[in-house]
Amino acid sequence: GIQVEQSPPDLILQEGANSTLRCNFSDSVNNLQWFHQNPWGQLINLFYIPSGTKQNGRLSATTVATERYSLLYISSSQTTDSGVYFCAVPFNDYKLSFGAGTTVTVRA
Amino acid sequence: EAQVTQNPRYLITVTGKKLTVTCSQNMNHEYMSWYRQDPGLGLRQIYYSMNVEVTDKGDVPEGYKVSRKEKRNFPLILESPSPNQTSLYFCASSLLARTLQGGITYNEQFFGPGTRLTVL
Repeated sequence: GIQVEQSPPDLILQEGANSTLRCNFSDSVNNLQWFHQNPWGQLINLFYIPSGTKQNGRLSATTVATERYSLLYISSSQTTDSGVYFCAVPFNDYKLSFGAGTTVTVRA
Repeated sequence: EAQVTQNPRYLITVTGKKLTVTCSQNMNHEYMSWYRQDPGLGLRQIYYSMNVEVTDKGDVPEGYKVSRKEKRNFPLILESPSPNQTSLYFCASSLLARTLQGGITYNEQFFGPGTRLTVL
């Protein structure tokens, strides 16, 4: 199956700092999603981004499908950004394969 | 409000007692899927459905059953739960989309709030 690798596995930030999370995948994909799992366990959609760049407030994402990676940028981080960030890509068109996630801790 | 709902949100049960976790979506999505999340193993797909009466196995289907009799509902059935099925379960739904190669895939997936199941 397709391999999805996220880096770094853990990230500790001071409030107000910027950061970049990376998602590498082993095969060409038709779409890619970024999720945030908050401390209560809910999975929140951040971006559906097969290619190109999208922005939503302090978050933005870029997918370079030809080079098989995607980046998630967090700017001016806040404590509410804490949690685990997952990327996920399709596998065999109908299945979804998740990366292991990046755990982000933002300290006040 | 467009959403995916799951019930119950929390459940503690005993080995062997059949249970059903319901999942419902109000977005007229064709595709629905179940995942489980375990520490150290991440999120793994259990079953998915492309439409009514069309279901297929994901990566970890053993011990689970599903049905898709209506477009909006996709219940997860544990006929004889065991402690290794203690997990956080998520249901998701999406529209279908065409791939660049002309095939069919799912579009942006929307997740329910999760069901935390403990099997004693």
